[in-house]
Amino acid sequence: DIQMTQSPSTLSASVGDRVTITCRASQSISRWLAWYQQKPGKAPNLLIYDASYLESGVPSRFSGSGSGTEFTLTISSLQPDDFATYYCQQYNTYPYAFGQGTKVEI
Amino acid sequence: EVQLLESGGGLVQPGGSLRLSCTASGFTFNSHVMTWVRQAPGRGLEWVSAISGSGDTPYYAYSVKGRFTISRDNSKNTLYLEMNSLRAEDTAVYYCAIRGTSGDYYVYFDYWGQGTLVTVSS
Repeated sequence: DIQMTQSPSTLSASVGDRVTITCRASQSISRWLAWYQQKPGKAPNLLIYDASYLESGVPSRFSGSGSGTEFTLTISSLQPDDFATYYCQQYNTYPYAFGQGTKVEI
Repeated sequence: EVQLLESGGGLVQPGGSLRLSCTASGFTFNSHVMTWVRQAPGRGLEWVSAISGSGDTPYYAYSVKGRFTISRDNSKNTLYLEMNSLRAEDTAVYYCAIRGTSGDYYVYFDYWGQGTLVTVSS
C-alpha cells in the first residue's frame, strides 16, 4: 500500500506569510494527488486536485505542484481564514490514503 | 445540488456490530464510486472503503479488511457500511464522500456528508 507523509506536522505562521507544506508518497503516484483544508467540527474542503488544479471557488493564493513522489501546497499570503489543518490524499491506487495532516497555527 | 446524509452512528460495545447508511441525492448515483472516510477524535483523516458504481468491486483499508463490508443499493441511492468486531480504535466520525464527476478511478472528494459518530466503548 502507498504511504503518504506530510511535513511539517505543525506550522506556526503569521498573516501575510508564504507557507509551504510538503507531501511525499512512498511510491510514484503520477499527478493523482489532492489537498484538503479542514476546520474543527467540519468536513474537509477540497482545495487542489490532480496535484495542481485549483478547485472552483478556492482563492488563488492556494497553489499545488509536484509529481511522482513529492508534492507541495503553497499559500502565497496567509489569511486569517487559512488557519486550519491541511491534508494530502493519493488516489493513484486503491487503497487510497491521506497524509497525517499539517496544522497551520498562529 | 449534491447531498450526502450519513446515519446509523451511535454507541456500541467492543466486539459489537453497527450498520451505517449514506443517503445520496442530486447526482446519478450508480455512475459514481462511493467512499467512506473516518476521523478519530483529535486525529487525521483515514480512508476506509470504497465501492464501484455498479457495486461489483469493493476496496478496503488494511485496518478494516475482514471486519467491515461496504455495499450499495442503487435503487435506493444509498450506501452502507456494515461494521463487525468493532474495536475502540474504530471510534470516529464516519463520512461518505464522492467526486462530482462520474467514474470509478482517480477519485478525489469534492462532496462530503456531515458525518456520523461511532463510539466503541464498554
